[in-house]
Amino acid sequence: DAGVIQSPRHEVTEMGQEVTLRCKPISGHDYLFWYRQTMMRGLELLIYFNNNVPIDDSGMPEDRFSAKMPNASFSTLKIQPSEPRDSAVYFCASSLRGPKTGELFFGEGSRLTVL
Amino acid sequence: AQKVTQAQTEISVVEKEDVTLDCVYETRDTTYYLFWYKQPPSGELVFLIRRNSFDEQNEISGRYSWNFQKSTSSFNFTITASQVVDSAVYFCALSEPYGQNFVFGPGTRLSVLP
Repeated sequence: DAGVIQSPRHEVTEMGQEVTLRCKPISGHDYLFWYRQTMMRGLELLIYFNNNVPIDDSGMPEDRFSAKMPNASFSTLKIQPSEPRDSAVYFCASSLRGPKTGELFFGEGSRLTVL
Repeated sequence: AQKVTQAQTEISVVEKEDVTLDCVYETRDTTYYLFWYKQPPSGELVFLIRRNSFDEQNEISGRYSWNFQKSTSSFNFTITASQVVDSAVYFCALSEPYGQNFVFGPGTRLSVLP
């Protein structure tokens, strides 16, 4: 079975540009998560969806960040406008069970560098 | 307040040595779940184990073993006869059904030298 698929693997952009990160969860998983990993803050949960509906977006840093899940097999995380402090590795994860009890399966991450 | 503490930032061992990675957690819930994840140099996070708070049995999977002690709020991870391929960052995580979602510890970077 295919795992969680993320694209792009690497993105380098200039400050002010729009960035869109994409994720395809494991088929049959009803939960999808976006995490951000930095050296300073470790792994932070940004938002998660259940059955395509955003459940908890309290981790989204600010209005420049938005996430959508138009269907069960696709999600996007958008940053507009991007800033250098957004540089991080962004992980998408999916889970069969809920976030409180189930293990998460992670994608390979999208490394974002904002110059 | 930090919920998951991994006091060891970095550990280096020589191949074939045993190594224990410490994890101490904090929760007010009586029901909770603990996890270990491995992040190899390639970057992806790999699920290793999930343990619920009612199951204090230690678990062994090949060279890996986990020691869960509620009395000390610890969930330590031991690798026996370490190998170079074990080099990675290991994260402990806590999930509370009635509290916060997954909270990851800061991670322990393990380097196994040949």
